[in-house]
Amino acid sequence: GAGVSQSPSNKVTEKGKDVELRCDPISGHTALYWYRQSLGQGLEFLIYFQGNSAPDKSGLPSDRFSAERTGGSVSTLTIQRTQQEDSAVYLCASSSAAATYEQYFGPGTRLTVT
Amino acid sequence: GQNIDQPTEMTATEGAIVQINCTYQTSGFNGLFWYQQHAGEAPTFLSYNVLDGLEEKGRFSSFLSRSKGYSYLLLKELQMKDSASYLCAVPSSGGSYIPTFGRGTSLIVHP
Repeated sequence: GAGVSQSPSNKVTEKGKDVELRCDPISGHTALYWYRQSLGQGLEFLIYFQGNSAPDKSGLPSDRFSAERTGGSVSTLTIQRTQQEDSAVYLCASSSAAATYEQYFGPGTRLTVT
Repeated sequence: GQNIDQPTEMTATEGAIVQINCTYQTSGFNGLFWYQQHAGEAPTFLSYNVLDGLEEKGRFSSFLSRSKGYSYLLLKELQMKDSASYLCAVPSSGGSYIPTFGRGTSLIVHP
């Protein structure tokens, strides 16, 4: 079946602009995670959605970052007033309720802020 | 909170065995993951250990000792395609499984 998809695969934006990154999780997966990975760094947790519960936003680095998950499926990560330090690969992952520990990652969106 | 420590880089020869160690500190243990990440690609799930001992899955095995805060990933019969970064991660307690990832161990397999 289809895996996790993300769009766009690459995004170049000017400092100060807003960007939206999209994630389509595996159908039926209730849990959805956003991470970012900077060059040579580990995966940094950003936000977690589980079903209809309030998201865990504890990993968001600033109030410029926000995310939504509509209808328990597609999610959008929005970064407002982008800064150069926001340049990274943004990864989305989903997991099922039966096996929450096994996350399936999308291919990521490489964001470059110039 | 959680803290993960693993070597930055390892090299090994094709056909050999390599052991990648991971030590962790966590306030509430909820299992330990290993993921594989090839350069430029997304991580893929390898294993999840919640009980002490060795779990074998083909050429890959993962070991856990909760009392020592220690895990290792054992790769046998190394192949060139095993060259990748191996990420150790410890999830938060509770049902969210929000993981703290280590920086990863870059494994280079040479002929």
